[in-house]
Amino acid sequence: NAGVTQTPKFRILKIGQSMTLQCTQDMNHNYMYWYRQDPGMGLKLIYYSVGAGITDKGEVPNGYNVSRSTTEDFPLRLELAAPSQTSVYFCASSYSGTRHYEQFFGPGTRLTVL
Amino acid sequence: GQQVMQIPQYQHVQEGEDFTTYCNSSTTLSNIQWYKQRPGGHPVFLIQLVKSGEVKKQKRLTFQFGEAKKNSSLHITATQTTDVGTYFCAADEGNRDDKIIFGKGTRLHILP
Repeated sequence: NAGVTQTPKFRILKIGQSMTLQCTQDMNHNYMYWYRQDPGMGLKLIYYSVGAGITDKGEVPNGYNVSRSTTEDFPLRLELAAPSQTSVYFCASSYSGTRHYEQFFGPGTRLTVL
Repeated sequence: GQQVMQIPQYQHVQEGEDFTTYCNSSTTLSNIQWYKQRPGGHPVFLIQLVKSGEVKKQKRLTFQFGEAKKNSSLHITATQTTDVGTYFCAADEGNRDDKIIFGKGTRLHILP
């Protein structure tokens, strides 16, 4: 199993540009998450999904959109990129039943907005 | 909303010394998870604690969950250079909210 894969690994955007960060997992997990991590800081939840067709906002959703059309894929869309969105973006997935189980993280996408 | 306080934010220790990081919540938790992130890497799951007063060990790492299920700690005995990284706790209140909350992490630096 590849686990959680993210593309691209690195990206530089100009202010106002848009892009989609891709995330795919092959573990048949129902839960998927998007986090951002600013330099030297913790993880902030952007959006999460408990299954295909269902998404919900996390702590910092402004400026982002997500969709979950399949169990495997959970893309994150940035519209009108701003310097404040410079960060490392991690996608994660987990199985969840009556309680939360461990989250498996992808390698991250390092995004710079200039 | 739910908050998880993690202390200290940074810790420098001499190689061979012990290290402890603490995670505190104002609300009772259903369970707590611990993750490690190496510099430049992604968070990797270490362990999950579920029961009140639970203690689990992984080699030199000891994890505890408080009796009231409001706090947790991670203790590393005789640190090694491979322990360098940031340690995060992640808390689950066990309510209908389907997300867990990460602490800000404790960054461990080992002095050779």
